[in-house]
Amino acid sequence: DAKTTQPTSMDCAEGRAANLPCNHSTISGNEYVYWYRQIHSQGPQYIIHGLKNNETNEMASLIITEDRKSSTLILPHATLRDTAVYYCIVWIIQGAQKLVFGQGTRLTINP
Amino acid sequence: DGGITQSPKYLFRKEGQNVTLSCEQNLNHDAMYWYRQDPGQGLRLIYYSQIVNDFQKGDIAEGYSVSREKKESFPLTVTSAQKNPTAFYLCASSTSKDRANTEAFFGQGTRLTVV
Repeated sequence: DAKTTQPTSMDCAEGRAANLPCNHSTISGNEYVYWYRQIHSQGPQYIIHGLKNNETNEMASLIITEDRKSSTLILPHATLRDTAVYYCIVWIIQGAQKLVFGQGTRLTINP
Repeated sequence: DGGITQSPKYLFRKEGQNVTLSCEQNLNHDAMYWYRQDPGQGLRLIYYSQIVNDFQKGDIAEGYSVSREKKESFPLTVTSAQKNPTAFYLCASSTSKDRANTEAFFGQGTRLTVV
């Protein structure tokens, strides 16, 4: 069962920052937060992941609250190519590695 | 290039026939996964395998079967028992050797249409 809750859809203007929230209130201490995105009819693409510290890479930033019960993915300067479904996943990195996706957020970047 | 390959990209079958979808990875990953995706929906886990010769059912395993005879290969058979086999199927692989740097890599999917 998916352990995350995301808004079904969001809109953002091109060039603005897109902030995608995710709730994972039952996350355990040995679970990471991962973000993937899926462009129509393609395989999901890894974006970023973190445990408890904020993370940044060339694609995005991940902000995890101090209690780790929620996180926000930030696309700093959204482009039309960022239109996709974004999935927030919690994933245990030991033992059984069942990787479960929720419904994700459909992000639409508007010109 | 290292990666995960699914073939074919499109597959058509007649109702009542079994069909096998291929998934191969050359990333030396231990774990492999199969997902099903219906239009406008998220990914649902069918089967996953943590190691050669071992696999576990996911959330929607009925009507599907898998094998893991080799580390690099994890074929999925859609049997005639699957009531609604038409869907987009995605395969993924991952490693767990480096706890902080594990990610799952996905193939580009196989779109199965049963007529």
